[in-house]
Amino acid sequence: AQSVTQLDSHVSVSEGTPVLLRCNYSSSYSPSLFWYVQHPNKGLQLLLKYTSAATLVKGINGFEAEFKKSETSFHLTKPSAHMSDAAEYFCVVPYSGTYKYIFGTGTRLKVLA
Amino acid sequence: DGGITQSPKYLFRKEGQNVTLSCEQNLNHDAMYWYRQDPGQGLRLIYYSQIVNDFQKGDIAEGYSVSREKKESFPLTVTSAQKNPTAFYLCASSIGVLSNQPQHFGDGTRLSIL
Repeated sequence: AQSVTQLDSHVSVSEGTPVLLRCNYSSSYSPSLFWYVQHPNKGLQLLLKYTSAATLVKGINGFEAEFKKSETSFHLTKPSAHMSDAAEYFCVVPYSGTYKYIFGTGTRLKVLA
Repeated sequence: DGGITQSPKYLFRKEGQNVTLSCEQNLNHDAMYWYRQDPGQGLRLIYYSQIVNDFQKGDIAEGYSVSREKKESFPLTVTSAQKNPTAFYLCASSIGVLSNQPQHFGDGTRLSIL
């Protein structure tokens, strides 16, 4: 069965320091994977997507993620955090052969001034 | 610009009342979804529709109903049978099955009980 696990429910970083949000997946094959960001009282916005092309994926707002099959990971990174990055982040995988999507439980990122 | 429009942004329900949340998309997507989001519980699937005039229950369909009469529209009714309706409701769409493409989301409707 497919699943995603976000390893941290909360992450705090100082402004200008790197961001690492961790996501591990479970699948019998190389899935598609997505990262979304959600600001308060807003919908989910797609940050980036991996669809079996390049393993290093660049997204919006300076974020990127690397698909590592050997580690079954798809961690989200950003070299330098900005105050506007404070939000909740979700790792998502489509449930193969269905219309459903599997969501991680989310990581709330706090950026300290 | 293509996207998903949810309305209203805030909605209040009285005891015993049914309320309907609107979701419209102009992305020409076949599939549409409704999720409920509660603090600390992530997103839970209420209903989804693969095509016009067809829809399936998700994980928490009890107390909710939907219709899909047009490709662009997928309204959700929260019935009086839903005893705990207070939540943030998100509508989403995707190109279709087996595409492995991401969903697009609206900005949500926050429903509260009066």
